[in-house]
Amino acid sequence: AAGVIQSPRHLIKEKRETATLKCYPIPRHDTVYWYQQGPGQDPQFLISFYEKMQSDKGSIPDRFSAQQFSDYHSELNMSSLELGDSALYFCASSLGQGSGEQFFGPGTRLTVL
Amino acid sequence: GQNIDQPTEMTATEGAIVQINCTYQTSGFNGLFWYQQHAGEAPTFLSYNVLDGLEEKGRFSSFLSRSKGYSYLLLKELQMKDSASYLCAVAPQTRYGGATNKLIFGTGTLLAVQP
Repeated sequence: AAGVIQSPRHLIKEKRETATLKCYPIPRHDTVYWYQQGPGQDPQFLISFYEKMQSDKGSIPDRFSAQQFSDYHSELNMSSLELGDSALYFCASSLGQGSGEQFFGPGTRLTVL
Repeated sequence: GQNIDQPTEMTATEGAIVQINCTYQTSGFNGLFWYQQHAGEAPTFLSYNVLDGLEEKGRFSSFLSRSKGYSYLLLKELQMKDSASYLCAVAPQTRYGGATNKLIFGTGTLLAVQP
């Protein structure tokens, strides 16, 4: 069965650079979520989209922005990267809003040097 | 505010049964999830409870008491591959009563299964 796809899987950037993370949800899933997981920490919700509109917002820094496109894939844009942005970034998708199983992608490991 | 508590670490023996507890205090409630996560990998879905009671799924069962803000995950016939972090997550409601689709995670319980 098709799963959530994230690219790239690994990314190394310097401080103050920009990064773009991509997420391709499971086919027919219309909702995408982004989570950030620092070393030894639990995943923290950043932002979510339903039918290409932002549906909820969590602890996402102003330096980050995201959007969902017409094919339902999503991109997380990160600017002025800081050392503290080094983390695993997970994308998850689900069918519809509200509660229900969220399927997680393999994550993008971002390292900021 | 949102607060979800789990034990940090647990150790159990192969073939045994282990219960991982989770207590929560959230601004609303629209379901509780359990995820398994191996180091450096994505969380994988184990169970979902929205009504009180026990949900059984093979070797894994999950229980919920909404009045007590309490859930547990029960793992039976433990196998070495069950060594992982187990994350309790709550889907809260918005202040207007609608379901919000974000998950609030607990800090996770690192389970070590020993031979």
